[in-house]
Amino acid sequence: AQSVTQLGSHVSVSEGALVLLRCNYSSSVPPYLFWYVQYPNQGLQLLLKYTSAATLVKGINGFEAEFKKSETSFHLTKPSAHMSDAAEYFCAVSAPYAGGTSYGKLTFGQGTILTVHP
Amino acid sequence: SQTIHQWPATLVQPVGSPLSLECTVEGTSNPNLYWYRQAAGRGLQLLFYSVGIGQISSEVPQNLSASRPQDRQFILSSKKLLLSDSGFYLCAWSPGGVSGANVLTFGAGSRLTVL
Repeated sequence: AQSVTQLGSHVSVSEGALVLLRCNYSSSVPPYLFWYVQYPNQGLQLLLKYTSAATLVKGINGFEAEFKKSETSFHLTKPSAHMSDAAEYFCAVSAPYAGGTSYGKLTFGQGTILTVHP
Repeated sequence: SQTIHQWPATLVQPVGSPLSLECTVEGTSNPNLYWYRQAAGRGLQLLFYSVGIGQISSEVPQNLSASRPQDRQFILSSKKLLLSDSGFYLCAWSPGGVSGANVLTFGAGSRLTVL
């Protein structure tokens, strides 16, 4: 079984400040990890993904995340926040295909709402 | 390029009425299809997924059902809605087969309010 814990349901930063959104996962097999962003009343958009290649993953809009197996973490960062980054962010985990009915379904965290102040 | 359409975008229904939400994908064949529900402050819950026509797997027991009458069409239904069915419903697809089962692309969502 897999699970994701996002630490902090709300994060508030000033424009230009570092963004750090925390995600810890639990998985019995080497995981695939994802960050998605959701703007109000919209679907989810993929920011970045880790699929067992480089541990530092760069995504869209200046975001990046680092896979740390020893810490079972996949925290999302951005050096300088923009007002347009205000949204809800979801961390998700899935398992690589392993036969049978293992179709790589995503398990999502509860989400972190990012607020950016001028 | 692939696109995913979901409708209706917004729906207000009385308790006990039926429901039908539709999702279609264009530009790909044999996709894996998913229905998620997002309730306020509760993240996303996988309701159903499908790997082919007529093949539906349910993740949680509930008042809803899903069908896949065509390769790129996924329908979420209910015969009698409950207040607890209110939420934001998201359809998603991923490439079929073993290599692409992980990256989901989401539709814009359907907001259901049951009164």
